[in-house]
Amino acid sequence: GAVVSQHPSWVICKSGTSVKIECRSLDFQATTMFWYRQFPKQSLMLMATSNEGSKATYEQGVEKDKFLINHASLTLSTLTVTSAHPEDSSFYICSASQDPGTGELFFGEGSRLTVL
Amino acid sequence: SQQGEEDPQALSIQEGENATMNCSYKTSINNLQWYRQNSGRGLVHLILIRSNEREKHSGRLRVTLDTSKKSSSLLITASRAADTASYFCATVSGSARQLTFGSGTQLTVLP
Repeated sequence: GAVVSQHPSWVICKSGTSVKIECRSLDFQATTMFWYRQFPKQSLMLMATSNEGSKATYEQGVEKDKFLINHASLTLSTLTVTSAHPEDSSFYICSASQDPGTGELFFGEGSRLTVL
Repeated sequence: SQQGEEDPQALSIQEGENATMNCSYKTSINNLQWYRQNSGRGLVHLILIRSNEREKHSGRLRVTLDTSKKSSSLLITASRAADTASYFCATVSGSARQLTFGSGTQLTVLP
C-alpha cells in the first residue's frame, strides 16, 4: 500500500515554543491530507483538512492560529503547533488519500508531542 | 466529532477464539472502514465495505454492514496474540472525503 511518513515521531518541548510536524506521502501525490489528534485511550478527532495550494479547512473548535497547516506541495503537509502549552500534549496523526474515489486513507505513524 | 460508538470498549479473549466488535453510526454513509492501531502507532487500514455491500471477507477478517440499522461488525477468526490492538471503525459520508472515527475497541488476545 501507499506510504505516509510523519516526522518527528516524538518531540518534547518547553511551554511557549512552537513545534512543526511534517507529513509526507512517499510514493504518491496527495492533493488532500488530514490531520487528527488523539488523546490517550481515545479515538481520533479530525482537526483539519489540508488542501494543496489553498487554505486548510478546520473543524469546529480547532484554533487555526494555534494549529498552522501548510500544504505547499503534493507530497508534503506540515502542522505547526504554535506557542505550545501542556494541554496541547497529544498524539498527532496525519493521513492522505491516494485515490479520493475509494475513500481509503493511509496513515502516518503519528507524532507524540509532550509539552513541559 | 465522532460518528458513533463501538462496543465493546474492551474485549479480552484467548488465542484461537473469535473476536467480534460492533460499530454503530448516525448518518448515511458512502462506505465504512475498519482500522487497526497498535499502541502508540499509526493506523493500518484493514477493510472497506461500501454502502451497497452487506458482507466482505479478507483473510481472517469478516465485516458485515447493515445500513438499515446503521451498524457494522468486524469478526476476527482464530485470533492470535499479535491481533492485540485497538480497532476503529470509520465512516465516509456524502461528498466528504475525511473519515469520522468510532470510539474504538481495545482487543487483547491472551496467549
